[in-house]
Amino acid sequence: DAKTTQPPSMDCAEGRAANLPCNHSTISGNEYVYWYRQIHSQGPQYIIHGLKNNETNEMASLIITEDRKSSTLILPHATLRDTAVYYCIVRPSSNTGKLIFGQGTTLQVKP
Amino acid sequence: EPEVTQTPSHQVTQMGQEVILRCVPISNHLYFYWYRQILGQKVEFLVSFYNNEISEKSEIFDDQFSVERPDGSNFTLKIRSTKLEDSAMYFCASTVDRENEQYFGPGTRLTVT
Repeated sequence: DAKTTQPPSMDCAEGRAANLPCNHSTISGNEYVYWYRQIHSQGPQYIIHGLKNNETNEMASLIITEDRKSSTLILPHATLRDTAVYYCIVRPSSNTGKLIFGQGTTLQVKP
Repeated sequence: EPEVTQTPSHQVTQMGQEVILRCVPISNHLYFYWYRQILGQKVEFLVSFYNNEISEKSEIFDDQFSVERPDGSNFTLKIRSTKLEDSAMYFCASTVDRENEQYFGPGTRLTVT
């Protein structure tokens, strides 16, 4: 599975957009990019995923570069409840579905 | 909204004892997983389960671990003889399709003394 690199921590002001980067330079053509988050030792929560195209849902937007070597998760209007560890995970479509979590980015949303 | 549930929320056991952690996945889901997270560390994959058999397991999932779906609704993780290093949060997850999002339960905190 492709390795991902994320900054260990980021801050964001409440109400502003939070842009969380992820590098996955060794990604293969059949590998998806998934984003999950974990709020204070709760179970991880799915946010969004994509293959090539940009994706948007009610929680966030996912921007994947054309060469697919990096992506950015955008939380358009961060709230204090968005404070969490955010994980970028690259996973092939053919595997058993297992998720390999890295250390993630700890996002602190400040008032 | 349907959710994955896990019981108990906290289990304390003595070293060498057997424990069974229970999960009720979302009812129409077909793929099931266990993960664990040692305090302060990252979430680690343990095992995936589909069609009543293990489809993949990690190096952590040795002979002391087993999984079962005994009655079509519960999904259990058994640790036969617990060790101190088994102390962790254990998360169950399920999904309708392996390419779709996984839904995680709230976890069981296992403390081995």
